Amino acid sequence: DGGITQSPKYLFRKEGQNVTLSCEQNLNHDAMYWYRQDPGQGLRLIYYSQIVNDFQKGDIAEGYSVSREKKESFPLTVTSAQKNPTAFYLCASSIPAEDEKLFFGSGTQLSVL
Amino acid sequence: AQSVTQPDIHITVSEGASLELRCNYSYGATPYLFWYVQSPGQGLQLLLKYFSGDTLVQGIKGFEAEFKRSQSSFNLRKPSVHWSDAAEYFCAVGPSGAGSYQLTFGKGTKLSVIP
Repeated sequence: DGGITQSPKYLFRKEGQNVTLSCEQNLNHDAMYWYRQDPGQGLRLIYYSQIVNDFQKGDIAEGYSVSREKKESFPLTVTSAQKNPTAFYLCASSIPAEDEKLFFGSGTQLSVL
Repeated sequence: AQSVTQPDIHITVSEGASLELRCNYSYGATPYLFWYVQSPGQGLQLLLKYFSGDTLVQGIKGFEAEFKRSQSSFNLRKPSVHWSDAAEYFCAVGPSGAGSYQLTFGKGTKLSVIP
């Protein structure tokens, strides 16, 4: 079955450490997204990519970085510059200019040790 | 700037009762409107969407929503709630045809169902 796989499910970060969250999709979608979800805050866009080798900052990109070297992969790195990284991170994909439906992975919970 | 308000943070209903979750949006033109559902510790799943045409849209799992331009609302309804509907529900709004990266999500309404 096609879908989006996020790993790991749970991740712990030490002070000053960079961590990378994985997102892989086999839906053949061009566009991919990273959202941050905090309790009671809804979803906020971190980065998005509409095509391989190109990505754009979202609303809260500071302290995060991404790459898009392959169509199916869109990893997110939470850098030490992100001072409040504890959150639930969701990866999504879509077919741009189609029905705008987002397909989501099952998320990664990042916590600080 | 576009915005979405979900006035109810938490709603509790009895199984078999009807449900209405409220969503109000602010947007200058005709928006794209969505309802997504999230089970605990999971990603979001699209319930339904409105782009144009009939203002009453049907979705999955027996849900429907009605777009009311005069009230800037897109409320989600279900005539009879099942225990498995307990989840968090998010309304989202975006410019028509502009891309999912321009979606604005509401803060969500958590639904609890009493057996």
